[in-house]
Amino acid sequence: GAVVSQHPSWVICKSGTSVKIECRSLDFQATTMFWYRQFPKQSLMLMATSNEGSKATYEQGVEKDKFLINHASLTLSTLTVTSAHPEDSSFYICSASREAGPTEAFFGQGTRLTVV
Amino acid sequence: SQQGEEDPQALSIQEGENATMNCSYKTSINNLQWYRQNSGRGLVHLILIRSNEREKHSGRLRVTLDTSKKSSSLLITASRAADTASYFCATGPSGGYQKVTFGTGTKLQVIP
Repeated sequence: GAVVSQHPSWVICKSGTSVKIECRSLDFQATTMFWYRQFPKQSLMLMATSNEGSKATYEQGVEKDKFLINHASLTLSTLTVTSAHPEDSSFYICSASREAGPTEAFFGQGTRLTVV
Repeated sequence: SQQGEEDPQALSIQEGENATMNCSYKTSINNLQWYRQNSGRGLVHLILIRSNEREKHSGRLRVTLDTSKKSSSLLITASRAADTASYFCATGPSGGYQKVTFGTGTKLQVIP
């Protein structure tokens, strides 16, 4: 199957700082990637859809100025958590599909963010 | 908002037994997928079933889909301790890229 790599796997940062998480499709081009957030013992909630070469589409309730998404190329999307607070501590995971239509989504391994 | 709800929320069985998890969803779908997540880890895709399919098999996994009832089930036969994980169903809308919406998940524990 296709490989989606996410980096870093875990990060600890201080309140008020920004953290960037990268999502790369290693062996295919992904014009669209998705970012999810998962709180402990809960399901994954879609945060935004990242579109190559254009602005991301955010889900209702997700602050676009807080969670900056950049899809600079067909293989890379980044999520930057700006001015992080302890409540931003969570598991963030991205996904990408090789093509449109009813195909599986490939997920990165996730990033555990802890804000202290 | 969550598209799917899974039942049960938690399941504990002995190794060798079968495990059945159910997923119900609310809106029309193009496909439904099942994923496994080990504690604190990323997601592993298990199986995708399209809306025009009723049943699909993959190894020890059997998935059924009933679009009239908006429900799906995942059966794991002859469970192993390594099957201990959380299992999520995820629905894909008609057309477009895989913007899947996840269910609430079932936490499965297989006791050796």
